[in-house]
Order: sequence, then C-alpha cells, then structure tokens
Amino acid sequence: DAKTTQPPSMDCAEGRAANLPCNHSTISGNEYVYWYRQIHSQGPQYIIHGLKNNETNEMASLIITEDRKSSTLILPHATLRDTAVYYCIALPTGFQKLVFGTGTRLLVSP
Amino acid sequence: ETGVTQTPRHLVMGMTNKKSLKCEQHLGHNAMYWYKQSAKKPLELMFVYSLEERVENNSVPSRFSPECPNSSHLFLHLHTLQPEDSALYLCASSRTGTDTQYFGPGTRLTVL
Repeated sequence: DAKTTQPPSMDCAEGRAANLPCNHSTISGNEYVYWYRQIHSQGPQYIIHGLKNNETNEMASLIITEDRKSSTLILPHATLRDTAVYYCIALPTGFQKLVFGTGTRLLVSP
Repeated sequence: ETGVTQTPRHLVMGMTNKKSLKCEQHLGHNAMYWYKQSAKKPLELMFVYSLEERVENNSVPSRFSPECPNSSHLFLHLHTLQPEDSALYLCASSRTGTDTQYFGPGTRLTVL
C-alpha cells in the first residue's frame, strides 16, 4: 500500500473550515484514498473515500489532485466535537487491511 | 452510532482469568474483523471473518481465540493473557471483505 504523509498537528477555530492535507505521491492507480478519524480512546470513524473524483458527504469533502499525489479533507464548519486524530490511508481494491500511520491531530478551539 | 456494538467497554482481568469480548453488527454486513490498538503499534489486524469463515489470522498467539457463530456476531475469547496484551480491542464490519470498514467503540482491556 502507498505510504501517506500528514502534518502531525493542526489548529482550527470553531465554525471555520478545517483543511487537512495528505501526501500520497506513490499511490497506484487502483488505490483509493480513505479518511478515518479517532476521538480519544474511541473506535475509528469512517469519514469519506475517493479514487480520483472529488467526493462530498454529510461529514466532509475530499479533494484529490488531478495527478492523485495528494488530497485534502475539508470539514466545512468545524465544531469542538471534530477534535480528533485524522488518518489518511491509501487502500487498493480487494481485501482491505487497515493500517493507520500517525495521522494529524486536529484541535478545534472556541 | 455506527451500527457496530462491543461489550464490555472496559475489562480488567488477571493473567489466569478467562473472558470473552463480544461484537455485534446491525448493518447486514458479511465480513467482521478484530483489531488491536496500543501505544506501541497503532493498529494491528488480528482476525478476519467473511461469511462466518476465518480468512485471515495474522500470527496471533493462541491465547486469543475468535469465534463467529453467524454474520452478525463475533467473539474474542481470552485466556492466560499477559500484561502486554493490554490494549484497545476494536471490532469492525464491512459489507464484503473488500468494502469500507465500520468500527465499534472498542473494549479497553487491562491485564494485571
């Protein structure tokens, strides 16, 4: 699976958009970009995934660059409950063995 | 609420005890997973069941014994654990073995 690189931490003011970057320069054509988050000591929560088109759901938007070497997760109006560690993962089609890296610790402040 | 529940949420056990972790999914999925998450290793896949058949066993010690009686339930039977087995044990499910995985809240296990 392709390695992903994320900043270790980010801050965001409540109500503002949180833009979390992820670099996956070695991603292959059959690998999806997945995002999960984990609030302290809780189970990971699936957020969104995409292959090459931008995606949006009720939680977030995912913007993937045309060359697919990087992506950005956007939380449009961050709340205090969005404080968590966010993991970006590149997963191939077929059986999925999730492996989390160190992720980005997002702190949303009032 | 993801549709995956785990009980108990917290468990403290001695090294000679026998206990079981339970996972139940209400999503109609056909694949279920056990993961271990600790400070030393962020996320480790332990077992995978697809249509109630074990399809993955990642060199897990025999003191961990999984059981999948049907596609909605998954158990992890524990016996003679070691203190280094203390961790957050996570259950996940997916529609098939190749789809998005949804996690339960986890069981925080402490082995004394």
